[in-house]
Amino acid sequence: AQSVTQPDIHITVSEGASLELRCNYSYGATPYLFWYVQSPGQGLQLLLKYFSGDTLVQGIKGFEAEFKRSQSSFNLRKPSVHWSDAAEYFCAVAPYSGGGADGLTFGKGTHLIIQP
Amino acid sequence: KAGVTQTPRYLIKTRGQQVTLSCSPISGHRSVSWYQQTPGQGLQFLFEYFSETQRNKGNFPGRFSGRQFSNSRSEMNVSTLELGDSALYLCASSLVGTNEQYFGPGTRLTVT
Repeated sequence: AQSVTQPDIHITVSEGASLELRCNYSYGATPYLFWYVQSPGQGLQLLLKYFSGDTLVQGIKGFEAEFKRSQSSFNLRKPSVHWSDAAEYFCAVAPYSGGGADGLTFGKGTHLIIQP
Repeated sequence: KAGVTQTPRYLIKTRGQQVTLSCSPISGHRSVSWYQQTPGQGLQFLFEYFSETQRNKGNFPGRFSGRQFSNSRSEMNVSTLELGDSALYLCASSLVGTNEQYFGPGTRLTVT
């Protein structure tokens, strides 16, 4: 069974500083990988996804993530954070079934705090 | 294009009662999945429906059930509610052939 680990429960970053959120996954075959963001009281918004091809993927709101198969990692980065980036971030993995939607397996999330 | 909508947004029920939650997917999306989010267990997959058929199911008891209608709208039902069923229930929709899921705002269920 697949699993996702987000080692950092909380991260505090100063506004304007760079950000990296870590994600490690366990899956025996080629995975679909996702990053979602959740603001308080809201649903999940898809930031970016990796299916195949270029291992550096660009997403919305200035985020990017790099897939490293050798390290089973899919870390999320942003060069300069804004106060509005404060939220909960979730990494998720799904089987590359290609045939339809399968249940996403989520990490426990990283709570991002932005210091002024 | 309108996003995934869920109704109601908030619900308070008593132990032993049952509840039905509704989800309308993004237009053109025929796959609908449901997730439970709690502080202790995080986000957990409940089940997925496509073409009115349940194709995948997570590790939840039979009290949790769902269905999908011909217009792709979906409902989930929880019978004999327990305190531990208090959670945010999220619905997600996707196009056929992709695992790229788009989430609604959720229904916050409180069981007292």
